[in-house]
Amino acid sequence: QKEVEQNSGPLSVPEGAIASLNCTYSDRGSQSFFWYRQYSGKSPELIMSIYSNGDKEDGRFTAQLNKASQYVSLLIRDSQPSDSATYLCAAAVDSWGKLQFGAGTQVVVTP
Amino acid sequence: DVKVTQSSRYLVKRTGEKVFLECVQDMDHENMFWYRQDPGLGLRLIYFSYDVKMKEKGDIPEGYSVSREKKERFSLILESASTNQTSMYLCASTRTSGGLGEFGPGTRLLVL
Repeated sequence: QKEVEQNSGPLSVPEGAIASLNCTYSDRGSQSFFWYRQYSGKSPELIMSIYSNGDKEDGRFTAQLNKASQYVSLLIRDSQPSDSATYLCAAAVDSWGKLQFGAGTQVVVTP
Repeated sequence: DVKVTQSSRYLVKRTGEKVFLECVQDMDHENMFWYRQDPGLGLRLIYFSYDVKMKEKGDIPEGYSVSREKKERFSLILESASTNQTSMYLCASTRTSGGLGEFGPGTRLLVL
């Protein structure tokens, strides 16, 4: 069974601080990884994708991938109350868009 | 800016009823997916389709079936609803392997 693991949280982060979210995956064949943000009662929205080892930055978000350690992370810099949400990590199972999701990490940014 | 729509946001059904959940996308995507989301379990894949008339079982297909008669429409069918199918159902579509960029708004189903 291919698995994607995340800490459920909640992760409490002061406003303006860095939120660090971690994710591990079991399938060494996975090549593509994604972070989704999901607000309460809403559907997930894609915020980051990463395919190569190293860092990928997009605005206040940085995704990090280490395939040798089977580890993906997401950093949110200068956290804002609007970043309070559940963040889902996903690994591609195939090349057609089929994904394996983690259970999500709840982030709470406190003013 | 309509992209992926689902027929209902909230649905209440009785045990044993046949339930139809509809998903329509207007992006000409080939691939469509049905997930359910439950607290603590994340999103779990029920069925997916890579083309019209094609369907593949996901991780939890038991108690469900699907229909893809047109490219833009992917229907999820609960043949005989049970209380353990109470959940949030999410439809998604994609053209390429660039992740599931588009989810529908979800249908929260309650089976009594």
